[in-house]
Amino acid sequence: DTEVTQTPKHLVMGMTNKKSLKCEQHMGHRAMYWYKQKAKKPPELMFVYSYEKLSINESVPSRFSPECPNSSLLNLHLHALQPEDSALYLCASSHLGGNTGELFFGEGSRLTVL
Amino acid sequence: QKEVEQDPGPLSVPEGAIVSLNCTYSNSAFQYFMWYRQYSRKGPELLMYTYSSGNKEDGRFTAQVDKSSKYISLFIRDSQPSDSATYLCAMRDGTASKLTFGTGTRLQVTL
Repeated sequence: DTEVTQTPKHLVMGMTNKKSLKCEQHMGHRAMYWYKQKAKKPPELMFVYSYEKLSINESVPSRFSPECPNSSLLNLHLHALQPEDSALYLCASSHLGGNTGELFFGEGSRLTVL
Repeated sequence: QKEVEQDPGPLSVPEGAIVSLNCTYSNSAFQYFMWYRQYSRKGPELLMYTYSSGNKEDGRFTAQVDKSSKYISLFIRDSQPSDSATYLCAMRDGTASKLTFGTGTRLQVTL
């Protein structure tokens, strides 16, 4: 079982809805990530938080709003999404610095935008 | 040219075969190399992690990194139907938080 927990596993929303994806890890990692993955494609980086501060935003549209309330939690707030935003949204975490480079992924939240 | 090249497959092998999965890359700054296994509609699962050049073995899996050739490999011995999945290589340099993925190779192990 993965140590990165994502909820919900599935989400269906309309283009006018507001919803949130949640992620939690208890491995003591200080870097957390949001990735988006379309079918038959590798994951694409959206955001990186380092020590609870946003360090990378890969030019993601403002209808996606990340939040890192503490070192264990990461949220992705969704508003006014488009059907092309339907994808698997993956949360990941890792240590920062040193020789440790592994990213650990959650199972993902499968989002469908109608 | 992509930073990381990986044959998308699909690769079909009989049960018990040795599988070789490969990636080439162009960025000589990459130091951390990972292999992920992803089952359909699931998140990527970290299989192997290697820092710099060398070999690493874990059960039926062996990861090799050849930095001089910019080439990494994952070998699976005695392949099983449960190994059927997409295998993604991923790598990054010593400072960046961003992971660069290959496109993934779809593997099918048949009975």
